[in-house]
Amino acid sequence: AQKVTQAQTEISVVEKEDVTLDCVYETRDTTYYLFWYKQPPSGELVFLIRRNSFDEQNEISGRYSWNFQKSTSSFNFTITASQVVDSAVYFCALSEAEIGNSGYALNFGKGTSLLVTP
Amino acid sequence: DGGITQSPKYLFRKEGQNVTLSCEQNLNHDAMYWYRQDPGQGLRLIYYSQIVNDFQKGDIAEGYSVSREKKESFPLTVTSAQKNPTAFYLCASSMARAYGYTFGSGTRLTVV
Repeated sequence: AQKVTQAQTEISVVEKEDVTLDCVYETRDTTYYLFWYKQPPSGELVFLIRRNSFDEQNEISGRYSWNFQKSTSSFNFTITASQVVDSAVYFCALSEAEIGNSGYALNFGKGTSLLVTP
Repeated sequence: DGGITQSPKYLFRKEGQNVTLSCEQNLNHDAMYWYRQDPGQGLRLIYYSQIVNDFQKGDIAEGYSVSREKKESFPLTVTSAQKNPTAFYLCASSMARAYGYTFGSGTRLTVV
């Protein structure tokens, strides 16, 4: 079963629009970590944010903001006033406790491809 | 500078040949991971290692093998048993999950 669901496969917006990327996760652990990564066309994964399960405060970093809601198991990502350079694939990921055979490996969603046009 | 080095960036191989992808880190991280990325599939875990001389299968280990003889190195071999090896491969390392993960720049493997 998919532990991290990013329902939006592709999103296209015009520059300066706000856009929200959705992430819903599933875990039985009380302690876990959530991440967002950006993958530009070059392929490297760029770390954006890490949030632990005990910290539900929303976070803002420049044009980026994150809304973590344990009640709905969601960790959504909003880009305000989008720019062409924001075009990339964005991944949400979950790190659980060491259960099963995954150690602390990240479980990734399938990603959302964001295209920002001028 | 500390980081993870994956080499080569692009790799071409003929069908039926084994190929080894290199992953080296100088971050003194205990854990290392290999992921495979296909279009629209996200990243899927192939193998991971939490300490030297120990490694575990991930979700899609069939057709792959790894070794962890040194803390710094975690090479991945794509064997001829892997039915669809053409993909983008990413290596990562971590000290502990609270401190996040560092990714390499990836190797794009094409089998013809």
